Amino acid sequence: DAGVTQSPTHLIKTRGQQVTLRCSPISGHKSVSWYQQVLGQGPQFIFQYYEKEERGRGNFPDRFSARQFPNYSSELNVNALLLGDSALYLCASSLGRAGETQYFGPGTRLLVL
Amino acid sequence: AQTVTQSQPEMSVQEAETVTLSCTYDTSESDYYLFWYKQPPSRQMILVIRQEAYKQQNATENRFSVNFQKAAKSFSLKISDSQLGDAAMYFCAYRSSTYSGGGADGLTFGKGTHLIIQP
Repeated sequence: DAGVTQSPTHLIKTRGQQVTLRCSPISGHKSVSWYQQVLGQGPQFIFQYYEKEERGRGNFPDRFSARQFPNYSSELNVNALLLGDSALYLCASSLGRAGETQYFGPGTRLLVL
Repeated sequence: AQTVTQSQPEMSVQEAETVTLSCTYDTSESDYYLFWYKQPPSRQMILVIRQEAYKQQNATENRFSVNFQKAAKSFSLKISDSQLGDAAMYFCAYRSSTYSGGGADGLTFGKGTHLIIQP
């Protein structure tokens, strides 16, 4: 079975632009979570979606939004990009039960100039 | 809010030796899950080991084992017979056992420990 996939692998944007990142979970997994990992730090939780509903949100501004589709894939959108949004964006999938293991994708490296 | 602390930014060990990575956490919950993830230079975050707080027995996965001290809120990772492929960033992470909304539903990570394996 394929693992979690993310696209694109790399992305370069300029300040003020908008970006959409995509994630496909492991087959059978209904929950997708998004994390931001700034260089030299651990990942920070942005969102969790389960069955197309937002289940949790971390401490990120409203410029960050996400959605989950009927096939459980997900998109993360970031508007009005800032230099500080440059990071590795990780997607993780799980079956959806509390406390269970999350499996991560390879990430999308976003550079904002 | 829960916090996870990894006090060792970098550790170095000789190949075939044993190394222990430290992790402490702060929580008011009694039931939760703890994880160690490995992130090699390829960036993919890989699960190393998982511990359920209600289980007293320490989790073990081949050469990897944990020392879980619930009262001390300590969760260290021991790597035996270190191999060159073990070189990576290691992250300790916490997750609540219940969905309570907000940021509690995600993993809370430490800042990581960079493990270097000396040949």
